[in-house]
Amino acid sequence: GAVVSQHPSWVICKSGTSVKIECRSLDFQATTMFWYRQFPKQSLMLMATSNEGSKATYEQGVEKDKFLINHASLTLSTLTVTSAHPEDSSFYICSAQGSGVQTQYFGPGTRLLVL
Amino acid sequence: AQTVTQSQPEMSVQEAETVTLSCTYDTSENNYYLFWYKQPPSRQMILVIRQEAYKQQNATENRFSVNFQKAAKSFSLKISDSQLGDTAMYFCAFISNFGNEKLTFGTGTRLTIIP
Repeated sequence: GAVVSQHPSWVICKSGTSVKIECRSLDFQATTMFWYRQFPKQSLMLMATSNEGSKATYEQGVEKDKFLINHASLTLSTLTVTSAHPEDSSFYICSAQGSGVQTQYFGPGTRLLVL
Repeated sequence: AQTVTQSQPEMSVQEAETVTLSCTYDTSENNYYLFWYKQPPSRQMILVIRQEAYKQQNATENRFSVNFQKAAKSFSLKISDSQLGDTAMYFCAFISNFGNEKLTFGTGTRLTIIP
């Protein structure tokens, strides 16, 4: 149980385009989903927290207009990197958490390369 | 604010041996959860083990066990009969038991199992 999928696993795009990443909880209802960014050889950096049906809460320094997060259902959250630039190239990981359970289950991550 | 410290950036051990990864944390709260996550080269974050602070008994999951010392704020992970597949980055993490709290990660320990 507690399986989280993420799509796509790899994406290469041109500078200025937008990229959407999907995060799905496959076998449980995720009342809260989290989006992280991970730089090489570093720990995970939380970007934002989203609760189903509510606006996402962004961490300090994360541009909400650049990283659009939607959590429209209890099994799906999306992260859209708008007008991507090379500095947005990174590894993005989502996690999902059920109601009343303080445990996050992670997706396999998405590698984004912006040319 | 909570902090999580992993003082061993890298460790290596021979296959089949036992290895212990250290983790200390700082919090003023009494009710919280602690986790060990594993991140192999695939970069998928995998939950290894979870400990609830109000439980005195140390959590175990097959070859993985923890030594939870609440008064000392220590949470070490012991891997018995280590296998090549245990080679990964290991992150210790803390979360308060209050709703909508963030997961605080340590900086990680890179563990290499030597054949």
